[in-house]
Amino acid sequence: DQQVKQNSPSLSVQEGRISILNCDYTNSMFDYFLWYKKYPAEGPTFLISISSIKDKNEDGRFTVFLNKSAKHLSLHIVPSQPGDSAVYFCAAKASGTYKYIFGTGTRLKVLA
Amino acid sequence: SQTIHQWPATLVQPVGSPLSLECTVEGTSNPNLYWYRQAAGRGLQLLFYSVGIGQISSEVPQNLSASRPQDRQFILSSKKLLLSDSGFYLCAVQGANSPLHFGNGTRLTVT
Repeated sequence: DQQVKQNSPSLSVQEGRISILNCDYTNSMFDYFLWYKKYPAEGPTFLISISSIKDKNEDGRFTVFLNKSAKHLSLHIVPSQPGDSAVYFCAAKASGTYKYIFGTGTRLKVLA
Repeated sequence: SQTIHQWPATLVQPVGSPLSLECTVEGTSNPNLYWYRQAAGRGLQLLFYSVGIGQISSEVPQNLSASRPQDRQFILSSKKLLLSDSGFYLCAVQGANSPLHFGNGTRLTVT
């Protein structure tokens, strides 16, 4: 049972435009969400997180939006740069637990 | 800041051979430690996690095992590898008040 889903396996965006990566979850106990970026043959790198008490968190070009009623979160990258080309994973965790559950990833390609 | 040492970077092993992957962490005490696997075309699958020395929680029943002999050491093992064990194995650490951080991973190919 996939509790965290990233339904778009890939996304292509022009340089300078906005990239929007989506993530859905099924477990209503999740209250902490994270986004990671992964290059080939490297470990994922933490990008940004959000707790369920917020609906938006911004860090530079990266903004995460959380819609608890829809059990949906999204990562916006503005403006997109060629160096942003990577696989992006969303992850979720419930308070009081230690398990981080990851989605299947979305491959972003930013075209120059 | 936390540093994760994971080795080797790549490994080719025959079916039926044993496996031992080691992960050590610097810069934090009493961390939560994790082993994840990324199989080809799939997401990050949680295999094991540990919240203390000798404490191991297994998420996926398979022929892999994990051990935590020291506070900042986490070992992934197998007595006999299967073809399906091929993948990219990642050690991760969570220190106090910090998100999960990953090592650089080990690419395991079972032939």
